[in-house]
Amino acid sequence: EPEVTQTPSHQVTQMGQEVILRCVPISNHLYFYWYRQILGQKVEFLVSFYNNEISEKSEIFDDQFSVERPDGSNFTLKIRSTKLEDSAMYFCASSRSSGNTIYFGEGSWLTVV
Amino acid sequence: AQSVSQHNHHVILSEAASLELGCNYSYGGTVNLFWYVQYPGQHLQLLLKYFSGDPLVKGIKGFEAEFIKSKFSFNLRKPSVQWSDTAEYFCAVNGDDMRFGAGTRLTVKP
Repeated sequence: EPEVTQTPSHQVTQMGQEVILRCVPISNHLYFYWYRQILGQKVEFLVSFYNNEISEKSEIFDDQFSVERPDGSNFTLKIRSTKLEDSAMYFCASSRSSGNTIYFGEGSWLTVV
Repeated sequence: AQSVSQHNHHVILSEAASLELGCNYSYGGTVNLFWYVQYPGQHLQLLLKYFSGDPLVKGIKGFEAEFIKSKFSFNLRKPSVQWSDTAEYFCAVNGDDMRFGAGTRLTVKP
C-alpha cells in the first residue's frame, strides 16, 4: 500500500539553525500538508499546498517557515532559524483531492537545543 | 474554518468496559469526519472515516462511530476495550481544511 514517507525520523539542531524536513507524498496525490504535534498536545495544522502554492496556512506558520515542492516527488518544510519552541513532531500528509482522506507520514521528530 | 472539540481529556477504563469518546464540531457546510489513533511513540493511524451514506461507520479493531448531523457530533464507540487500545484518539473534521481535536487519552487497565 502506498504511503507518505518522511526524513529524517529524528533531528537534533541548535537554536538559530536552519532545518529542512523532507516528505515524499503518495504519488497520485495533489494536496500536501504539514502538521505538528508538540509533546503532549494536540495535532496542529501548519500549512496546505496545492498546485505549487500555499492554499491555507495557520497563524503558527510565520515567516520562519516555508514549504517547497522542488521536484515531482518531494515536499519540504524549512524552518529558517529554529527556536526552542519549534521542538515537536512534524507530520507530512497528502490527499488525492480536497475533502479526501488525508494520509499521514510517520513524522519527523525535531529537537531544538 | 471549522473547529473541533473533544470532551474528554483522559479516560481510564478496565478491560471489557464499553467506550464512548465524544467529538463535536462547528461548521456550516458539508464535512468529512475522521477518527485517528496514535499509539505510544507511533504516528497517526486512521481508525475510520465518514464521507456520506450510512451515518454509522465501522472501522478497524472493532471501533465504530455515529455521525449525528443535528448534534454536530461524531462520537467514537467500542463495546469492549482491550489493554492494547491504550492510545491517544483524535477526532478530525475536514471542512475548509483538516482540523483536529485536542485528543483524548485512553488508558485501559488490564
